Amino acid sequence: GQNIDQPTEMTATEGAIVQINCTYQTSGFNGLFWYQQHAGEAPTFLSYNVLDGLEEKGRFSSFLSRSKGYSYLLLKELQMKDSASYLCAAMDSNYQLIWGAGTKLIIKP
Amino acid sequence: GAVVSQHPSWVICKSGTSVKIECRSLDFQATTMFWYRQFPKQSLMLMATSNEGSKATYEQGVEKDKFLINHASLTLSTLTVTSAHPEDSSFYICSARSGTEQETQYFGPGTRLLVL
Repeated sequence: GQNIDQPTEMTATEGAIVQINCTYQTSGFNGLFWYQQHAGEAPTFLSYNVLDGLEEKGRFSSFLSRSKGYSYLLLKELQMKDSASYLCAAMDSNYQLIWGAGTKLIIKP
Repeated sequence: GAVVSQHPSWVICKSGTSVKIECRSLDFQATTMFWYRQFPKQSLMLMATSNEGSKATYEQGVEKDKFLINHASLTLSTLTVTSAHPEDSSFYICSARSGTEQETQYFGPGTRLLVL
């Protein structure tokens, strides 16, 4: 079956670095997405990886290993506004998104 | 980037009434639109996928007679919650995908429904 796993909750300190991991199993693969969702709001797009390697975009980076079915989102220089849920989603062969349950990130001063 | 709007942003209604939610792609043609539901502190749950001009494909466990989806044009899809009940209270989010960008979904801001 198709499955996405990511931690339920993580806590980090303002100014630090945090890595949110995601493992996936899908029928076919057309890319891995990371979304940020603040409470009460719709998700906003953060990154898309379809090739192995690290994609850096400002304070946020995303990594993909297709052979391992593994991705991570790396957040640097954490700010209080980064407190949110981070959703990992894999796109299968039918271009359908398979969603993880989300990781709630709590930033402490 | 592409913009997707939803209307209304929130609605409160009495049990037994029907509620229509609109999802519009403002600057691109959305060949496919998705409707999601999200309960508090939970991830998105795909309800149905609709392609312009054809019937929606519903996910297992979603009642198609209760959640009516119409995708009559390339820029508009509607979700009608018929005879709403308190358990239908939720956050409903639509997303849209153009035919040229299969890998990208653009999300609407969501509609919060509260059924009393």
